[in-house]
Amino acid sequence: AQTVTQSQPEMSVQEAETVTLSCTYDTSESDYYLFWYKQPPSRQMILVIRQEAYKQQNATENRFSVNFQKAAKSFSLKISDSQLGDAAMYFCAYRRSGGYQKVTFGTGTKLQVIP
Amino acid sequence: NAGVMQNPRHLVRRRGQEARLRCSPMKGHSHVYWYRQLPEEGLKFMVYLQKENIIDESGMPKERFSAEFPKEGPSILRIQQVVRGDSAAYFCATATGMSDEQFFGPGTRLTVL
Repeated sequence: AQTVTQSQPEMSVQEAETVTLSCTYDTSESDYYLFWYKQPPSRQMILVIRQEAYKQQNATENRFSVNFQKAAKSFSLKISDSQLGDAAMYFCAYRRSGGYQKVTFGTGTKLQVIP
Repeated sequence: NAGVMQNPRHLVRRRGQEARLRCSPMKGHSHVYWYRQLPEEGLKFMVYLQKENIIDESGMPKERFSAEFPKEGPSILRIQQVVRGDSAAYFCATATGMSDEQFFGPGTRLTVL
């Protein structure tokens, strides 16, 4: 069974600084997707970034980038130039490729942005 | 193009009552996933349905919970005889096909008094 582990229940960052959220996962599959979702107080699940396992290049979306280490099964999220609106819960998630696609989520990291 | 709709957004029930949660997929989406988020936890898969069929209900509690996705109308997650432990946020996600990207709804927060 696939598992996703986020070992940082809470993190804080100064506004305009950079922060990295950690995630490790376990799977026997070779082809899969990894995601970071943001959940603000509204509780809406917002897709931040997505990585396809067969792609070696790390995904980037504006101020958000990932460090994908397939051999180590590590998938960290870097937020640059942190803004107050980045404060939220962040969930790392996994979905295998092919077949139907239930998503496995980590337990989340609560990010606080300090003005 | 409207996104995934869930209603109600907030639902309060007393112990023993029934809760019905609705999920209206995006246009063209015929695949629905339900997830539950207990307080202070991540989302956990409950059930996957295609139109009129339950494909995988391995994450559903064995009793009191049921789901359907009729040919017409929204998908329904039904919880009978609710207990306090059912208090959670329930999310649905929909997709066009089995292997396609899931889009999440805003969730329904169920509170059992």
